Amino acid sequence: GAVVSQHPSWVICKSGTSVKIECRSLDFQATTMFWYRQFPKQSLMLMATSNEGSKATYEQGVEKDKFLINHASLTLSTLTVTSAHPEDSSFYICSASFRGRSGSPLHFGNGTRLTVT
Amino acid sequence: AQSVSQHNHHVILSEAASLELGCNYSYGGTVNLFWYVQYPGQHLQLLLKYFSGDPLVKGIKGFEAEFIKSKFSFNLRKPSVQWSDTAEYFCAVNKKTSYDKVIFGPGTSLSVIP
Repeated sequence: GAVVSQHPSWVICKSGTSVKIECRSLDFQATTMFWYRQFPKQSLMLMATSNEGSKATYEQGVEKDKFLINHASLTLSTLTVTSAHPEDSSFYICSASFRGRSGSPLHFGNGTRLTVT
Repeated sequence: AQSVSQHNHHVILSEAASLELGCNYSYGGTVNLFWYVQYPGQHLQLLLKYFSGDPLVKGIKGFEAEFIKSKFSFNLRKPSVQWSDTAEYFCAVNKKTSYDKVIFGPGTSLSVIP
């Protein structure tokens, strides 16, 4: 079956540094990937929609200059948390849908636990 | 804008009890509906989905859900829960267009007591 790989699974960084998270679709082409954020005991909040070859679409309230998204190929999207602060500590999850399958359920990566000290 | 509400924040049941988790969405157009489960310390897994056709859909692990269009609801049911069903359950919806974003409900935490 389809698999979405996310790397790293956890990262600890110092305040002020930047962290890059990768999301890969391993056996299918994903023209669209989605980035979510999940705080403890809370639901997944959509941060942005990543479109291959074009700029990402950010949800209201999400700082595009802080959360840089690049979707350079049909199998890879990256999220870079720039100048991270402790309040950015969270669980970040990516997802992707099959190319050409309208309404196909999203396949999720295993998530990245970011801790900013 | 689409939104999803779930009736219960936290549900506690004894093993073998029946389960029903409520989910309502607000969107006037045609939608796809999903239920996801997140076991403690694990990533999201798809329980079941509704795209079209029979409004009663069956998923994995004995779960089923019924889409009632007139009520904008998609409630999740299981006739007899097990301790291993302890998890967080999320209802989700997206518009029936290609590649549209999925919006999640706030989640319902289910605790099953042995």
